[in-house]
Amino acid sequence: AQTVTQSQPEMSVQEAETVTLSCTYDTSESDYYLFWYKQPPSRQMILVIRQEAYKQQNATENRFSVNFQKAAKSFSLKISDSQLGDAAMYFCAYRRSNTGNQFYFGTGTSLTVIP
Amino acid sequence: DVKVTQSSRYLVKRTGEKVFLECVQDMDHENMFWYRQDPGLGLRLIYFSYDVKMKEKGDIPEGYSVSREKKERFSLILESASTNQTSMYLCASSEHGTSIRNIQYFGAGTRLSVL
Repeated sequence: AQTVTQSQPEMSVQEAETVTLSCTYDTSESDYYLFWYKQPPSRQMILVIRQEAYKQQNATENRFSVNFQKAAKSFSLKISDSQLGDAAMYFCAYRRSNTGNQFYFGTGTSLTVIP
Repeated sequence: DVKVTQSSRYLVKRTGEKVFLECVQDMDHENMFWYRQDPGLGLRLIYFSYDVKMKEKGDIPEGYSVSREKKERFSLILESASTNQTSMYLCASSEHGTSIRNIQYFGAGTRLSVL
């Protein structure tokens, strides 16, 4: 099974500042997909951003962007201009591109935003 | 919007009881999933289903079974609940296919306590 590692169980950021959440993964595949999901307190998990491994350009979604380093098997999430509503648990996830829909999730990073 | 509904937000059961967790999705998705979420362990896949009456074991199926009699409904069954099954349970659904657009949509979760 693929493994996804999030080495930061908890992070904090000052409101309006920038924070980067780390994620590394292990795979022998050359093509795959990577995702960041957000789970706000007591609310359902939603997709933040996704990246195709064969695309060199880093994905961006408004204040959220990724730094995808394929050779290093690293997929970090950068949140710019942090807002109170960004406080949540963030999960990095991996999915193979050619079979099924099984996702492999990391252990999560709990982000606190300090007013 | 995709809606994945889990029948209970909180459940308290006694050791040895048979427990049913229900999940319904309204987007005609082929795939449905049950995860268990524990602090420091992230999301672990219990079972998934890619069609009616079809099921596949995930990473931690022991002590659980599932039922999918209708496309929109996927039930998780704890045949004889034990205290180590106290956890947050998340249901998810997705379309079948390999596109990066086929992401997983999550329910709000059921927090189960087994006493």
